[in-house]
Amino acid sequence: QVTLRESGPALVKPTQTLTLTCTFSGFSLSTSSMCVSWIRQPPGKALEWLAIIDWDDDKYYSSSLKTRLTISKDTSKNQVVLTMTNMAPVDTATYFCARSSRCTAGRAFDDWGQGTLLTVSS
Amino acid sequence: SYDLTQPPSVSVSPGQAARITCSGDDLGRKNVCWYQQKPGQSPILVMYQDNHRPSGIPERFSGANSGDTATLTISGTQSMDEADYYCQAWDSSAFVVFGGGTRLTVL
Repeated sequence: QVTLRESGPALVKPTQTLTLTCTFSGFSLSTSSMCVSWIRQPPGKALEWLAIIDWDDDKYYSSSLKTRLTISKDTSKNQVVLTMTNMAPVDTATYFCARSSRCTAGRAFDDWGQGTLLTVSS
Repeated sequence: SYDLTQPPSVSVSPGQAARITCSGDDLGRKNVCWYQQKPGQSPILVMYQDNHRPSGIPERFSGANSGDTATLTISGTQSMDEADYYCQAWDSSAFVVFGGGTRLTVL
């Protein structure tokens, strides 16, 4: 059974750096065609993709946010970490991590974490 | 950049077919997937690679993708299908792209 769990602060101040951790089980991120992504959803709004890391350590970022994002993985700990710099109130959202087992064919996300709500406020 | 466009809302009567579209430039050449999201819940994958249903997704869900438009069809729509639906594709320059979402209302 695949599970993913997001962890991180519930509140950050503007200009601070956010660090989110996705801890997963039930699969290995060193297996070919696996990848893990971060996706966010502001309250009442649509899903917004942020970043993705592949089994072979290829990384891809949203063009609108790439200067602020860094994604990394620790295969031994079954974790994927996302850092986002210079946080602002517009970054208030639920942040999800999600897994795809089809990262060579469309990258549909089979499994999602429950999400973690982040508020950016002074 | 690459954009996927969905209608904001679709309404359907119980038992009727609901069709939700997703439009993008030459979308038929890309693998499209669909997610269902109910209030307060995480999205669930209901269709991948245009027309493949994950295990556990009812047969009333089907998908198609051709030209510039992908379509998710729910045959015999039930009240439990009321939710937000998002399409998603992979683009070689924009990478992962989500549509803006469609709220399906079962009247």
